[in-house]
Amino acid sequence: GESVGLHLPTLSVQEGDNSIINCAYSNSASDYFIWYKQESGKGPQFIIDIRSNMDKRQGQRVTVLLNKTVKHLSLQIAATQPGDSAVYFCATYNQGGKLIFGQGTELSVKP
Amino acid sequence: EAQVTQNPRYLITVTGKKLTVTCSQNMNHEYMSWYRQDPGLGLRQIYYSMNVEVTDKGDVPEGYKVSRKEKRNFPLILESPSPNQTSLYFCASSLGLAGGGEFFGPGTRLTVL
Repeated sequence: GESVGLHLPTLSVQEGDNSIINCAYSNSASDYFIWYKQESGKGPQFIIDIRSNMDKRQGQRVTVLLNKTVKHLSLQIAATQPGDSAVYFCATYNQGGKLIFGQGTELSVKP
Repeated sequence: EAQVTQNPRYLITVTGKKLTVTCSQNMNHEYMSWYRQDPGLGLRQIYYSMNVEVTDKGDVPEGYKVSRKEKRNFPLILESPSPNQTSLYFCASSLGLAGGGEFFGPGTRLTVL
């Protein structure tokens, strides 16, 4: 079946460095992708999304890149801060309207 | 303020005692869903609803029921809870494929003894 997977379960970066979190998906027909951030004790929070007609989308300190050829997307966080410490999920909708999540990457920011 | 609310936030109950977790959203979203989150298993969808009176099974619907009589409310019902339903539950709402992502509630931590 369809799947969305993250490459690394954990990522540790130094404060101020850039972070890159990767995600792969299996369904080449997927056309909408979302990144979520989940802080400890809270529900997932929408960060940024991208549609398949785009390769790149930028937000505030975050950039999502989509490579449809290899079915891969990444979330880049510039100048990572301690407040960025959280679990990050990528997700996409299947054609039945169900949102499919990856397992999550836990980002730790070292001061 | 746009939000999804869930009640209760914490619940400890015993096997077999029916319970309902309420969910309400104030964004006029058509799409609502319930997830459970367990260590090592990530977020798994239980049920979703694409509109009033339209519900469908997610990945792990066994042991759960839902209803969508009004657009804003989407309660999760456990008719006969069992210990394997001990989990962290999230309700979410969205515009679906129209974009904007899902708004998640704060979560309900359920323990079934």
